[in-house]
Amino acid sequence: DVVMTQSPLSLPVTLGQPASISCRSSQSIVYVDGNIYLNWYQQRPGQSPRRLIRNVSNRDSGVPDRFSGSGSGTDFTLQISRVEAEDVGVYYCMQGTHWPFTFGGGTKVEIK
Amino acid sequence: QVQLVESGGGLVKPGGSLRLSCEASGFTFSVHYMNWIRQAPGKGLEYISYISGSSADIIYADSVKGRFTVSRDNAKNSLYLQMNSLRDEDTAMYYCARSARLLDTWGQGTLVTVSS
Repeated sequence: DVVMTQSPLSLPVTLGQPASISCRSSQSIVYVDGNIYLNWYQQRPGQSPRRLIRNVSNRDSGVPDRFSGSGSGTDFTLQISRVEAEDVGVYYCMQGTHWPFTFGGGTKVEIK
Repeated sequence: QVQLVESGGGLVKPGGSLRLSCEASGFTFSVHYMNWIRQAPGKGLEYISYISGSSADIIYADSVKGRFTVSRDNAKNSLYLQMNSLRDEDTAMYYCARSARLLDTWGQGTLVTVSS
């Protein structure tokens, strides 16, 4: 199975400051069609997950532009340019290339 | 508006069975892959199954293979998960989501508790 390793586990951030979450896959996640099925999800307290980013860097409709995704090979990053109070929650990366599709362990973003 | 609503969760004894449902609205259900993902209390996410629009392509995680069966009724815009031989470790919130590999829309989840 492809192991998705996220860091850090916990990320205390000051409001208005940037935040960065790393996600590393244990092997290449380039699919046969050339796509990289690496997505990012936000799970606010008490809510179901919501997709923020698909295919490494494509932001979903309605997602604030302070969220951005990047990466290649086996290293991927989710960045929040200026953290707001509503960004508190757990963030997960997920690879949808190799079955079983797997999630990272999650990064908890909290306000300092 | 795309919406997914799960139901059917509850308390069941080890070895018991439960059938979850996911009702879809706001999109053409029959053309989309649908998925089940679960989350144990306080834990991360586990992708457990997907099914194609025609039901021709179905896959399961090893943790549920042989015990869980996914199905769908396109006429009713509904997705199902039949869960048999339930174990303590199956206790989780179960989510349905649209689009294999991409999981673009999630339901609110239904809680399954396996306990004697």
